[in-house]
Amino acid sequence: DGGITQSPKYLFRKEGQNVTLSCEQNLNHDAMYWYRQDPGQGLRLIYYSQIVNDFQKGDIAEGYSVSREKKESFPLTVTSAQKNPTAFYLCASSGDSRREAFFGQGTRLTVV
Amino acid sequence: AQSVTQPDIHITVSEGASLELRCNYSYGATPYLFWYVQSPGQGLQLLLKYFSGDTLVQGIKGFEAEFKRSQSSFNLRKPSVHWSDAAEYFCAVPISSGSARQLTFGSGTQLTVLP
Repeated sequence: DGGITQSPKYLFRKEGQNVTLSCEQNLNHDAMYWYRQDPGQGLRLIYYSQIVNDFQKGDIAEGYSVSREKKESFPLTVTSAQKNPTAFYLCASSGDSRREAFFGQGTRLTVV
Repeated sequence: AQSVTQPDIHITVSEGASLELRCNYSYGATPYLFWYVQSPGQGLQLLLKYFSGDTLVQGIKGFEAEFKRSQSSFNLRKPSVHWSDAAEYFCAVPISSGSARQLTFGSGTQLTVLP
């Protein structure tokens, strides 16, 4: 079945460590996105990529990094520079930036 | 500035009652509009979308939404709510940012359904 796979579903890390969240899609979509979700704040865009080897910062990119070496993959690294990394992270893709996005099931990151 | 607003943070309805969730947008042209639903700890699922044409659109799970240009609104409705509809609902609009468009979400409306 086509879709978006995020892994792992739950992730625990110690403060000061970098951590990478995986996002893979087999929908043949050009555009991919990373959102952060905190209670009562909706979804905030971290990074997005409209094509392989190109990506742009979203509204809250500080402390995060991404790569887009393959069309299918858009991993997100949460660095030690991110002041408050504990959150629910959602990856999405779309065939056209004007169209609907399809979402993965999310990764809940807890930093202790 | 282009934006999307959901005025209601939390709504409570009784099972079987009708539902309307509000969404307002600020956008120069006729926008594409989406409603998503999210169950706890899950990703977002698309309920329905409006691109053009008929302003009343039907979605999954018995939901519908009406685009009203004069009111800059795209409210989500359901005639009779089921307990399984309890979830968080997000309205979204692709908004231009530089040379690209980003799917921008409202802050969400949490729906509680009473038995």
